[in-house]
Amino acid sequence: EAEVAQSPRYKITEKSQAVAFWCDPISGHATLYWYRQILGQGPELLVQFQDESVVDDSQLPKDRFSAERLKGVDSTLKIQPAELGDSAMYLCASSWGTGGNTYEQYFGPGTRLTVT
Amino acid sequence: KQEVTQIPAALSVPEGENLVLNCSFTDSAIYNLQWFRQDPGKGLTSLLLIQSSQREQTSGRLNASLDKSSGRSTLYIAASQPGDSATYLCAVGTGTASKLTFGTGTRLQVTL
Repeated sequence: EAEVAQSPRYKITEKSQAVAFWCDPISGHATLYWYRQILGQGPELLVQFQDESVVDDSQLPKDRFSAERLKGVDSTLKIQPAELGDSAMYLCASSWGTGGNTYEQYFGPGTRLTVT
Repeated sequence: KQEVTQIPAALSVPEGENLVLNCSFTDSAIYNLQWFRQDPGKGLTSLLLIQSSQREQTSGRLNASLDKSSGRSTLYIAASQPGDSATYLCAVGTGTASKLTFGTGTRLQVTL
């Protein structure tokens, strides 16, 4: 069964350092999402791509976070510099598309980030 | 702004019991509603997707219902098992890009 792949699974970094996460969506899925989940809360959307274009990045802290999906397939989320409050689970998800009401999102295993 | 609330926050039941998890949302103009399961430290597993035109969906021992007009959904789990222990998250899809807004989840423990 096809799955969303993410790496690394765990990352420990010191504050002010740069960190990057990678996501490979299910083959053929045009839409890719990055979420942040703080312990005890539901995931919050950071950025959404349709192919290589950003559809929604309204909740992305653009002073320190960046995301790209250059060829419309895999994606990288970067934080520079990392702050203590960035400690969270970063989840990637993908779907066939958007619009209408039929597109189910599939999630990867996540990257647990700890900033010390 | 869409807000999603899940009640209760935590639930403990003995094995074999039937149970209901509740989800409510403030904006009824939704495209779909998705129920997920999350095991500790893991990603999310999609359980059921209900389109806005549907009233319910079933998968095995799970049944999810949707009442858009009242802004409510329920997830019914029949004959609960210890393996059902996890956090269950409700997410509502809104907007042309089907943006998901999540609740904070219900942490379920099924005891032997």
